[in-house]
Amino acid sequence: NAGVTQTPKFQVLKTGQSMTLQCAQDMNHEYMSWYRQDPGMGLRLIHYSVGAGITDQGEVPNGYNVSRSTTEDFPLRLLSAAPSQTSVYFCASRPAGTRTEAFFGQGTRLTVV
Amino acid sequence: GESVGLHLPTLSVQEGDNSIINCAYSNSASDYFIWYKQESGKGPQFIIDIRSNMDKRQGQRVTVLLNKTVKHLSLQIAATQPGDSAVYFCAEKTRDSSYKLIFGSGTRLLVRP
Repeated sequence: NAGVTQTPKFQVLKTGQSMTLQCAQDMNHEYMSWYRQDPGMGLRLIHYSVGAGITDQGEVPNGYNVSRSTTEDFPLRLLSAAPSQTSVYFCASRPAGTRTEAFFGQGTRLTVV
Repeated sequence: GESVGLHLPTLSVQEGDNSIINCAYSNSASDYFIWYKQESGKGPQFIIDIRSNMDKRQGQRVTVLLNKTVKHLSLQIAATQPGDSAVYFCAEKTRDSSYKLIFGSGTRLLVRP
């Protein structure tokens, strides 16, 4: 199994540009999440989904949109990129219920200039 | 690897010694506490979790201790090896939001040969 796959691995955007970070999982997990990781800040939750068609905001949702049309895919859209969105982005999935083991992708390093 | 962790607290230990990584939490409503390990350039990886009604749980070379009185969580690694060098995050799962994992800011573990 591939697990959680994120694309692209690296991206440079100009301020004001939009783009979509892709995330796909092949484990049939109900829960999926997007985190951003900044130096010294740990992982902060952007958006999450508990199943196809259901999404909600996390701690830092501003400037980002998500959708969950299928169980497998959970894309993250940057509407108008800003330098403050320079970060490493991680997508994670895990099964519903009490299990706490989340599976993370390899990350997308985004730089906004 | 990414620049994550430049400002993280760092624990330096000699190879073969035991390591103790600490974490303070604030949410008494959490029902699980979890430890993740992040190697350079990779996404976090699940190590072990502990339910809130337990004080101690052991895994392979790792032990997690939970002190609810002072809201403190620790991860003990026995006979630390060079492959243990990484950033370690504690995380919480709350009873009312089982789909969310909230991460702490992390500790960098450096193993000296």
